[in-house]
Parts: sequence; structure tokens; C-alpha cells
Amino acid sequence: QVQLEESGGGVVQPGRSLRLSCAASGFTFIAYAMHWVRQAPGKGLEWVADISYDGGDKSYADSVKGRFTITRDNSKKTLFLEMNSLRLEDTAMYFCARDRGGTVTTTLGFDYWGQGTLVTVSS
Amino acid sequence: QSVLTQPPSVSGTPGQRVTISCTGSSSNIGALYDVHWYQQVPGYPPKLLIFGNTNRPSGVPDRFSGSQSGTSASLAITGLQAEDEADYYCQSYDRSLSGVVFGGGTKLTVL
Repeated sequence: QVQLEESGGGVVQPGRSLRLSCAASGFTFIAYAMHWVRQAPGKGLEWVADISYDGGDKSYADSVKGRFTITRDNSKKTLFLEMNSLRLEDTAMYFCARDRGGTVTTTLGFDYWGQGTLVTVSS
Repeated sequence: QSVLTQPPSVSGTPGQRVTISCTGSSSNIGALYDVHWYQQVPGYPPKLLIFGNTNRPSGVPDRFSGSQSGTSASLAITGLQAEDEADYYCQSYDRSLSGVVFGGGTKLTVL
């Protein structure tokens, strides 16, 4: 069965960096675009970034552009999110999600989600 | 301020029909990008409820239905049940932002 498992969250000081991972299993990872979505405590969903099936195309929310980098290793079926210059407002649960399609010029809907990993930015 | 606008809350009694609106613009829903809907129970990840404006994934009851017209979309839930109490989010793609956008979410309360 399809599984997505995030890891790498934790407590970090403002200005520091953190790298999140999302290990995928149970499907042909290379066929699908992947996304990171976050949810601040008590708030709604915010799309963060996405990457096409082959890693050739990437998009970012304005709130993280220039600070976060999304990558994938298709040989290891793993998605990453490198987060630099972290801010207090980056505190959130971070989910990885699978798109039903392979490109990032639209979305066909996110059909599988991980349980999330919590990132807390605090001094 | 979300790009897609949803009412913060809706409510209904068991057996009733409720609808949740999602209002966008000419750069997302109005540009014919598909709308998708998610159900999220607090403490759990979101679950895809409707994709491609009107389609239900396998396992989603037919009490849930989606529609789209112009720059807006709607989620309808008929035969409301206590287990439907959750947060609901609409989602689409925005060509001006070149990225995915979510609505602010709607909390459904079953009275």
C-alpha cells in the first residue's frame, strides 16, 4: 500500500536550517509529482513547494521562495525539503503529499499524505 | 488572506444537506483549473474527498459531491452524519502565482 513517512522535524532557533525527508513506498515514485504542505497550529493548509516527477520543475510559495529548496532522489524514493533562514512563522506541521499527476503546471489533487513532521522555530 | 475564499464555518443537523462554497478568480478556478476538496479531522492529515471538480476517489461515499461554475466551486454533503464533522478545504492551481492554492478552510459542525 502507498505510504509516505516524513522525518527531520524538531525545534530550531530562528535563522538556522533544517532538512526534512519523506520516504515513499508502495508505488512507482518516479511517476508522480510531490508536494510539501504545512499547517501552523490551529491554522489552515498552506502549500509550500512542489517538484515534478523527474525533478526538472519546481515551484515555491512566495513565503518560502529563496529560503526553502525541494529536491527528490528517485533512486531512493525520497523527497526532501531543505529549509534555511528559518523564521518564527515557519512553525508548523509539515506534510508531504503525492499528486495524482506528474507535472507541476497544474495539480490533479493530492491523493496520499504522510502523517507529518512538526517543525518548531523558537529562540 | 487565502486566494480561494471559503466560509469559516457551516453547520447542520443529522440528515440535512449542507454546502460549502469556494470562490476564486480568473487566474485559478475561472481559468478552468480543476478544484479539489479535502476533509481533515483534527490531528490527522487531510483526505482527498473530491478531485477534478466532481470526481470521488474510491471509498468516498456518494453523499459527497462537487460542482464548479465560473470562478466558484461548491462541495455538497447530503444525509449529514456526525462523522462528517471536520474541516474542509478546497484547492486549485493559480496561474498568476504559478503554484497550488488552498482555501482558508471551513469547519463543519453537526449539531
